[in-house]
Amino acid sequence: AQSVTQLDSHVSVSEGTPVLLRCNYSSSYSPSLFWYVQHPNKGLQLLLKYTSAATLVKGINGFEAEFKKSETSFHLTKPSAHMSDAAEYFCVVNGGSQGNLIFGKGTKLSVKP
Amino acid sequence: EPEVTQTPSHQVTQMGQEVILRCVPISNHLYFYWYRQILGQKVEFLVSFYNNEISEKSEIFDDQFSVERPDGSNFTLKIRSTKLEDSAMYFCASTLEGLAGGTYEQYFGPGTRLTVT
Repeated sequence: AQSVTQLDSHVSVSEGTPVLLRCNYSSSYSPSLFWYVQHPNKGLQLLLKYTSAATLVKGINGFEAEFKKSETSFHLTKPSAHMSDAAEYFCVVNGGSQGNLIFGKGTKLSVKP
Repeated sequence: EPEVTQTPSHQVTQMGQEVILRCVPISNHLYFYWYRQILGQKVEFLVSFYNNEISEKSEIFDDQFSVERPDGSNFTLKIRSTKLEDSAMYFCASTLEGLAGGTYEQYFGPGTRLTVT
């Protein structure tokens, strides 16, 4: 069965410092992996996706993630945090052939001035 | 930029009542989904819909739930007899291609917060 584990429920960084949000996955087949972001009172927005092409995936707003099969990880990074990055981030794996998504519990990112 | 819309943004209903949550997916999309997020918990898949029929559903999606695409634009989720535990944020999503498509992306609406009292 497919699953994702987000290792931190809350991450706090200072503006201008790097961001690391950790995600490990479990999959019985080659997964498609996604990171979604949810700002307060907004819908879920796709940041980036991995679908068996390049293992280093670049997304919007300077975020990127690296698919590491040996570590079953798909951590999200950004070199320099901005105040507008404060939001909840979800690591997601495809759940089946019909494209239903399986979400992690989410990591709330706080950015201090 | 096209977006998925959902109405209402907040629905309050009494236990046992029927509710219909409405979604307008992006106009040329073919695959439609409902998810829910109980407060403090994960976003959970409910159902997927393609070619006017359910293509997959989770254990949560029991006989109390139904989905419909009554016209060319709306996609609805009906809960026949609401329970307290149905209180959650419900998200609609749509995508143009199936998972095998190279540009696969699910676009989510802002959600409907359902409160059952």
